[in-house]
This record gives sequence, structure tokens and C-alpha cells, in this order.
Amino acid sequence: DAGITQSPRHKVTETGTPVTLRCHQTENHRYMYWYRQDPGHGLRLIHYSYGVKDTDKGEVSDGYSVSRSKTEDFLLTLESATSSQTSVYFCAISRDRGESAFFGQGTRLTVV
Amino acid sequence: AQSVTQLGSHVSVSEGALVLLRCNYSSSVPPYLFWYVQYPNQGLQLLLKYTSAATLVKGINGFEAEFKKSETSFHLTKPSAHMSDAAEYFCAVSLNQAGTALIFGKGTTLSVSS
Repeated sequence: DAGITQSPRHKVTETGTPVTLRCHQTENHRYMYWYRQDPGHGLRLIHYSYGVKDTDKGEVSDGYSVSRSKTEDFLLTLESATSSQTSVYFCAISRDRGESAFFGQGTRLTVV
Repeated sequence: AQSVTQLGSHVSVSEGALVLLRCNYSSSVPPYLFWYVQYPNQGLQLLLKYTSAATLVKGINGFEAEFKKSETSFHLTKPSAHMSDAAEYFCAVSLNQAGTALIFGKGTTLSVSS
């Protein structure tokens, strides 16, 4: 299995607070992704990174920011959490564009 | 830009019956196509991928998919369903092009009855 770890695995937070989710990889893969999974919507891309300090927006990026200061870590920040951001968040990595992606186990975030 | 459409959010089959999960894609350049499976409370696992070699791709657990450019389709099949195949299945597309990412369909839940 690919070495990819998400933390925390579960989090409950209050509306209006900032939240940071971490994705850590040991595979030295170039691409890293953050998705959210909601019933009826499948996986929707939030942000992705194609290298250190190189990131781009996905289809549901509003309210989220990311940072990648080193190859192995990709952080997702909810600047001011809202109830609509309650979801399961998945991180994924791939060696390069066009390559298959490996997924973490997910983070279940509840905003109350 | 690329996208995928999965036809049917829920498919039900009997054990031993043919499994057919449909996926159509849209892309401006030749795509890379993938099928992933997700079991309850787990992450996604790669079933198979098409990367412009053979158009018929064989994956794990007896699944296969055929790339049909004329139909812009990449349907997933398995000749004989097993109870353990019950899961959610996702089709995804990527491009070998700068500035693109891996994009998923909305998923199809497969139920298998005995």
C-alpha cells in the first residue's frame, strides 16, 4: 500500500473556527489532491498540487486554502468552517499527471 | 477540460449475473481513464486503468473495461457477480496535460443479492 496518512481521522469543530487537515506521504509523488465526498456528489476536487509551492483550484475551492511547503505534506485549511463543509475529506497522491492515484483513509469532519 | 458521467447511481444484480457499470467521458485530448472501488468506511482502491495501450483492460477481482473512442465510453464489466462485489464504484479521467487533475464521476452503488 502507498504510504499516505491523513490526520486527524475524525474532527468535530464549531462554525466559524479555522481547521487544518494534514496529508502526509512517504512515496515522493509529485501530485497531491484534496477531495470531498458527499452523498450524491461523488468525489469533488477541492485543490491539487503538482509540486512544492505549486497548487491549483478544483471545482469546489471556495472557503478552502492549501499549502505545500515540502513534497511530503499537503495541508488543507478551512478558513472559517461552515456547516456546508461537513463532509469526508480524502487526500490522494499520484506520481505524475495521468498516473493512477492512491488514496488515504479519509477524514470525517463535522461542523456544528 | 475533462469530465465523466456515470449512468445509474444504483445498480442491482443477482449473484452470478453479469455486472455492467457505465461510464462516458468528455475530453479534448486522449484521456487516461480509471475505475476505483470504495468499500464502506474505506478509501478508494484502484480497479483498473486505461492509458492508451490495449483498449480492453483487465483489472483486479475479475473486472475489466473496454475503451471505445467512438462512443466515448469506458464501461466496467464482470461476467459473474459475487456478494463481495457490493460497493461503490467510481469512474475517473485524467489528461497528460499541464494544469489538469484527476476528475471523478458521481459514483454507482452496486448491490448484489443472493
